[in-house]
Amino acid sequence: TQLLEQSPQFLSIQEGENLTVYCNSSSVFSSLQWYRQEPGEGPVLLVTVVTGGEVKKLKRLTFQFGDARKDSSLHITAAQPGDTGLYLCAGGEGGSEKLVFGKGTKLTVNP
Amino acid sequence: GAVVSQHPSWVICKSGTSVKIECRSLDFQATTMFWYRQFPKQSLMLMATSNEGSKATYEQGVEKDKFLINHASLTLSTLTVTSAHPEDSSFYICSAKTGNTGELFFGEGSRLTVL
Repeated sequence: TQLLEQSPQFLSIQEGENLTVYCNSSSVFSSLQWYRQEPGEGPVLLVTVVTGGEVKKLKRLTFQFGDARKDSSLHITAAQPGDTGLYLCAGGEGGSEKLVFGKGTKLTVNP
Repeated sequence: GAVVSQHPSWVICKSGTSVKIECRSLDFQATTMFWYRQFPKQSLMLMATSNEGSKATYEQGVEKDKFLINHASLTLSTLTVTSAHPEDSSFYICSAKTGNTGELFFGEGSRLTVL
């Protein structure tokens, strides 16, 4: 079973600060997705990365897929209270439709 | 993005009763849907893969007779929790895979509380 480890588990920062959260595995994934989930709601897809070394930007969010496709990072610049939520990474297993989820990073951005 | 809707959003039931949760893809057809369970402060755990027109594939440790899944059409999958007990209380989330990109889109989730 492939596992995804996310770190940190919890992160509380002030508005305007930058942060990076990590998603690591010893296994290779065919794709990796990042989601944000707010309490009582389903996860919302932020980005999908499929190529080793790929970097995608979504406004203040920068996503990177490791060269070996075993890890990924999410960097947020100038965090805002609206960024508060649970950030989940999920890896796609080659040849399978299933996603393996990390345990998530709970981010709180204080005004 | 694609829209996936779940109903009901929350439900409270008595122990021993059965509860049905619906998952609909509103603007696309989904041959494959997934059902997850999420306990407080934990991540999503895949319960089963629902395939239109065929039997669901359950993950190890998930009782197929307790969690009945039906995927009768390309836009609807249902999860029925039979003879629910308090330990079944959880947040149940479905997702549907789009045919075009293969990306997954999630429903809003259904909060089940069994008294």
